[in-house]
Amino acid sequence: DTEVTQTPKHLVMGMTNKKSLKCEQHMGHRAMYWYKQKAKKPPELMFVYSYEKLSINESVPSRFSPECPNSSLLNLHLHALQPEDSALYLCASSQDIYEKLFFGSGTQLSVL
Amino acid sequence: AQKVTQAQTEISVVEKEDVTLDCVYETRDTTYYLFWYKQPPSGELVFLIRRNSFDEQNEISGRYSWNFQKSTSSFNFTITASQVVDSAVYFCALSDPLNNNAGNMLTFGGGTRLMVKP
Repeated sequence: DTEVTQTPKHLVMGMTNKKSLKCEQHMGHRAMYWYKQKAKKPPELMFVYSYEKLSINESVPSRFSPECPNSSLLNLHLHALQPEDSALYLCASSQDIYEKLFFGSGTQLSVL
Repeated sequence: AQKVTQAQTEISVVEKEDVTLDCVYETRDTTYYLFWYKQPPSGELVFLIRRNSFDEQNEISGRYSWNFQKSTSSFNFTITASQVVDSAVYFCALSDPLNNNAGNMLTFGGGTRLMVKP
């Protein structure tokens, strides 16, 4: 199993909603990542978890809250988002923080 | 500071043509990794290759080949006999794992959209 699975694939939410994005991998990888990608732009790193501990937060606003419940799961909790937060949110994992990344197919988020 | 430049924003070719995607990078470090990823319309980034800064050997994998030249800070990607399925956005990326605590922090180029027409 070499997949990173993200759910949902599409999400539409209002600015007052609370929602969560989910990411799962069963490759035994110990590093997991959240990236944000706006249309026609490269991905931008948001968070890095290494051995279930948050190791990097790239100055992401607090309305995005990551959670790593165990080594296979990574969540991104969303609250009071703005329309400019609409983007493709990509999850990735790697064997450790020095190895190549495997990406999921992303969640396309629209904030109305 | 690290920077990756993909000067070609869009390339259009006809099937069976060869095409080269350019990547130029900047880094002050002597130890780094270079990557190419493919992003088809489905959205996921597909890993294609990783090279470390000490290995300048060119690599060939089927119709794909990569030319790494430290002297010009370039890591170009060539697709031979292109196919419609090669249509995607291709990203070149750089990481500097020894000089940051997060290891695999990728600096992406802006991407090149490749359209292969039948």
